[in-house]
Amino acid sequence: DTAVSQTPKYLVTQMGNDKSIKCEQNLGHDTMYWYKQDSKKFLKIMFSYNNKELIINETVPNRFSPKSPDKAHLNLHINSLELGDSAVYFCASSPKGPHGGTEAFFGQGTRLTVV
Amino acid sequence: GENVEQHPSTLSVQEGDSAVIKCTYSDSASNYFPWYKQELGKRPQLIIDIRSNVGEKKDQRIAVTLNKTAKHFSLHITETQPEDSAVYFCAASIQKLVFGTGTRLLVSP
Repeated sequence: DTAVSQTPKYLVTQMGNDKSIKCEQNLGHDTMYWYKQDSKKFLKIMFSYNNKELIINETVPNRFSPKSPDKAHLNLHINSLELGDSAVYFCASSPKGPHGGTEAFFGQGTRLTVV
Repeated sequence: GENVEQHPSTLSVQEGDSAVIKCTYSDSASNYFPWYKQELGKRPQLIIDIRSNVGEKKDQRIAVTLNKTAKHFSLHITETQPEDSAVYFCAASIQKLVFGTGTRLLVSP
C-alpha cells in the first residue's frame, strides 16, 4: 500500500555510466516531481510533471532526462554520471499541480553514489 | 523566483523546552507554507501547513504562525521530546515548492 515508491533505494555506479531511477505513485495524483538532496541536506526541485507534461525544468544539466509514461510514473535517467551527481534523489507527488497549495508526498529516496 | 531562508541551521534544546524555527520568503505571491520533518535516512514528511489566508494553526504540540506583511513564518514545538530530533524544513509555494535550508533539531533527555 506504498503511496510513492521509487527504485532502487541504493545505487552505486562508476563515473561515466548511465543509470535510471523509477518512481510510481498510487495516490491518483496529477503532479509528480524529482528533488535532489545533497550532502548538506538542501532539497532542490529538479523537474515537475503534470499529467505527463513537463511544467518545471530547473537549471539541471541535460544529462538528466525525466520521462513520464503516464501520470502515475515518473522516471529519471542520468547519462554520463559525474562525482557531483552523488546525492539522494526524491520522487514526490501532489494532488494538484503545480503544487497549488497542496502537500507533496515523498518517496523513500534513492541514494546515488558515483565512484 | 522564490527564495526561502531558514534559521537556525542547528538547534539544541533540553527535553521539555520549546523550540522555534523561523523562515522568511521573498515572493509575496506564495500562498502555501508547509513544514516537513525528516528523520535520519528517511523521507521528508509533512507535519503541519498553513495557507496565506490564515495567521496561525496549531496541532497538539506544534504550531505555525504566518506574517504575510513581513513575509515570515515560524514553527513552534512545545514540550519537546527526544523523538522530535530530526531535520525540519520550511517551504513556500506558488507554482513549485521551494524549501528552506533545514534546521537540525536535537532534543536531549
